[in-house]
Amino acid sequence: AQSVTQPDIHITVSEGASLELRCNYSYGATPYLFWYVQSPGQGLQLLLKYFSGDTLVQGIKGFEAEFKRSQSSFNLRKPSVHWSDAAEYFCAVGTPPYSGNTPLVFGKGTRLSVIA
Amino acid sequence: NAGVTQTPKFQVLKTGQSMTLQCAQDMNHEYMSWYRQDPGMGLRLIHYSVGAGITDQGEVPNGYNVSRSTTEDFPLRLLSAAPSQTSVYFCASSDGQGSREQYFGPGTRLTVT
Repeated sequence: AQSVTQPDIHITVSEGASLELRCNYSYGATPYLFWYVQSPGQGLQLLLKYFSGDTLVQGIKGFEAEFKRSQSSFNLRKPSVHWSDAAEYFCAVGTPPYSGNTPLVFGKGTRLSVIA
Repeated sequence: NAGVTQTPKFQVLKTGQSMTLQCAQDMNHEYMSWYRQDPGMGLRLIHYSVGAGITDQGEVPNGYNVSRSTTEDFPLRLLSAAPSQTSVYFCASSDGQGSREQYFGPGTRLTVT
């Protein structure tokens, strides 16, 4: 069965600093990859997704992620963090052939704190 | 579109009580699912459905029942609540033909005492 690992439980960055959140998956074929964000007390919102093609994908709120097949990774990045980015971030994978009608497997999340 | 709605937002139950968490979507999505979120555990799949009349178990189905009589609604039933079911519950739906993005409801925070 596929699994998703987010190695960092909690990360603290200064406002304006760059950010990278790590995500590794365990699956033989290339899965469908997602990053979601959850603000405190809210539901989950999709930041970006990768299905195929260009391995660098752009998302909302200035986030991007890069798929690296050789490292089984899909790390999320942002060049300059804003205080409003403080939230919990989840990486998720869908097993191919992912149609949207099959379950996603989520990582355990990384909580991001932003300090002045 | 209202998207995915969940009721109630908060609920406190006593051990052994039963209740139904409601989930509805107005996007005509075939796929709907229920997750629970616990600290340090991420989201774990409870049950899912690929269409009216079709449901299947996820990773943590024990203690929960579901049914899908319409495309729009996917209620989650707790027949006899236990303290271990204290959690935040999220419903999600997705479109198998389009973006394949899963849309999440705002969640229900359940406490079982």
